[in-house]
Amino acid sequence: ETGVTQTPRHLVMGMTNKKSLKCEQHLGHNAMYWYKQSAKKPLELMFVYSLEERVENNSVPSRFSPECPNSSHLFLHLHTLQPEDSALYLCASSKGPGTNTEAFFGQGTRLTVV
Amino acid sequence: DAKTTQPTSMDCAEGRAANLPCNHSTISGNEYVYWYRQIHSQGPQYIIHGLKNNETNEMASLIITEDRKSSTLILPHATLRDTAVYYCIVRVEKNTGFQKLVFGTGTRLLVSP
Repeated sequence: ETGVTQTPRHLVMGMTNKKSLKCEQHLGHNAMYWYKQSAKKPLELMFVYSLEERVENNSVPSRFSPECPNSSHLFLHLHTLQPEDSALYLCASSKGPGTNTEAFFGQGTRLTVV
Repeated sequence: DAKTTQPTSMDCAEGRAANLPCNHSTISGNEYVYWYRQIHSQGPQYIIHGLKNNETNEMASLIITEDRKSSTLILPHATLRDTAVYYCIVRVEKNTGFQKLVFGTGTRLLVSP
């Protein structure tokens, strides 16, 4: 248990569906992240939020839409996905500015697009 | 951030020390070495990090060479639960308010009975 909780743990969705992934942390962290891990590939950083503002968007297609309503919650809204978007989506959080600490990861959401 | 090179896989007998090497020959003076591991189908887990000095915590020890061009993660008494992919990451500690971790392919450590 890392203190970062992701729901759902597994999700199967059709290409025309709209779904959302949720991430929650009560560690008092001010930065939150979305990573994608496809089969046999390294983790890829998708989005970074610091103090509820998006500070990084690594050329992610617009069918992925992040939302950070407060420092404890992070969402990833999904729409019109493709089968190649099937992957493990990981959320992480870390402390805010001026600190030198590690990132804590959730258990991930295993997404299958059919 | 500097690039790292790790062996693709390693084996270790249960109860023995696991020594995982990492090369980071282009590391600069203000870059830290971080180690994470990922057990199958779980999120990565932080292990340890360091700048120049050797570091030890309850999970592992980190030995950084004097020239800082390589490091070794040591699991002193490996158990079956240490079977995982181990990632060595080098990054600058910027006062930007967030940690940008760039993961490579890591080392797949298999601990056997």
